[in-house]
Amino acid sequence: GAGVSQTPSNKVTEKGKYVELRCDPISGHTALYWYRQSLGQGPEFLIYFQGTGAADDSGLPNDRFFAVRPEGSVSTLKIQRTERGDSAVYLCASSPSGSSYNEQFFGPGTRLTVL
Amino acid sequence: GQQLNQSPQSMFIQEGEDVSMNCTSSSIFNTWLWYKQDPGEGPVLLIALYKAGELTSNGRLTAQFGITRKDSFLNISASIPSDVGIYFCAGLIQGAQKLVFGQGTRLTINP
Repeated sequence: GAGVSQTPSNKVTEKGKYVELRCDPISGHTALYWYRQSLGQGPEFLIYFQGTGAADDSGLPNDRFFAVRPEGSVSTLKIQRTERGDSAVYLCASSPSGSSYNEQFFGPGTRLTVL
Repeated sequence: GQQLNQSPQSMFIQEGEDVSMNCTSSSIFNTWLWYKQDPGEGPVLLIALYKAGELTSNGRLTAQFGITRKDSFLNISASIPSDVGIYFCAGLIQGAQKLVFGQGTRLTINP
C-alpha cells in the first residue's frame, strides 16, 4: 500500500517568507507526527496529532510554527517569517493509533532551504 | 529533556563483517525502535521492541531491549553493501507519543 507522502520534496524560499509543507499519512492512520532533522542529527519532535487535534505541540520551537489537520487525514505544517535557521528536512510520520505500541512510519521528508 | 546517546558515531567495516551499535539513556523508555535512513529518504523502521529484556530478529538484524529499560543494541550479521546508511535508535517514554532519537551511526562498508 501507499506509504506516507510529503510535498514538496524540496522548497527553497527567502528569509521572511511564509511556507507550507504538506503530509499525506498512510490511509487509516489516526496519529500523525511532524519532526525536524538538521544535517548530521537525528529527527527532533515538533508536534503530534491524534485525529484532528494537536495532542502535543511541545516541540514547536516558537510561534512562527503552526500545524493543522482539519479533517484528520492530511496535515499542513506552516512556517511564518522564515529564518535561515529553519533550514532542515521536515519529516512526517503516521501510526495506526497513538498508543506506545504503534510504530511510526516516516515519509521521505521535505528539504527546506531558507536563503 | 530526554537524550539518547548512540555509539559509535561511525563505523568502517569490510563486507561480511558483523556490526554492533547501541543506545543508552538516563531515562526509562517504554518502547525502543531502530530505523535506517538512506540519503534523501525518510527513516525506515527495522525493528520494534516493547518489553524489557526482549530480543527480536529481522533477518540478519537482531536487537535487544535492555533489562533496565535505559538501553538497546542492534547487531547486523554478515554485512552486505546495501546495509550502508545511517542507523538511528529511537525511544518512547510512557505516556508520551514523541520519539526521542539518537544521533545516528553511519555505517560504511569497504568492498
